[in-house]
Amino acid sequence: DVVLTQSPLSLPVTLGQPASISCRSSQSLVYRDGNTYLDWFQQRPGQSPRRLIYQISNRDSGVPDRFSGSGSGTDFTLKISRVEAEDVGIYFCLEGTRWTFGQGTKVEIK
Amino acid sequence: EVQLVESGGGLVQPGGSLTLSCAASGLTISGYEMHWVRQAPGKRLDFVSAISGSGDKTYYANPVKGRFTISRDISKNTLYLQMGSVRPEDMAVYYCASARSHSYHYWGQGTLVSVSS
Repeated sequence: DVVLTQSPLSLPVTLGQPASISCRSSQSLVYRDGNTYLDWFQQRPGQSPRRLIYQISNRDSGVPDRFSGSGSGTDFTLKISRVEAEDVGIYFCLEGTRWTFGQGTKVEIK
Repeated sequence: EVQLVESGGGLVQPGGSLTLSCAASGLTISGYEMHWVRQAPGKRLDFVSAISGSGDKTYYANPVKGRFTISRDISKNTLYLQMGSVRPEDMAVYYCASARSHSYHYWGQGTLVSVSS
């Protein structure tokens, strides 16, 4: 079974500073069609999850460009270039062929 | 605007049954693979079950296989999850989500299932 391990699990950040979250897989996430279905979601307090990034690095419509995704194979990263107050919440990665989730990373403001 | 609204959660005794519903608006559930995902307290999200857009295929996570049944009513644009032989480890917030192209596009707000005698 694929296991996605996120780090850190808690991320206190100063407003305006960058933040980075890692998602590592126990095996390569390259699917048989050549694509890698690794997504990032944000869940603000009291809200449903919202997709930010799909297939590693594609930003969803309406997602601020301070969010970016990168990586390949087994190692993936979500970066926030300058954290804003509205970015507080839990971020999790998802592998979309086995429907496996990372543990989630709680982003809070210092 | 797309909305997925879950209902039916609540307190259930171990060994009991419960049916969750997910009413969709702004989206036709037959156009998506529809999923149930749950999150137990302090745990990561876990896939529970899915039904294909055509409705002819269903999928279950091993922990719920044989106990839970996913179904849908196209006329009501509503997804269901019948939970049977409920166990304490089934206690979680249950979300419905629409899936396409190996990703979740829309999520509901979740409904809490508590298991206690």
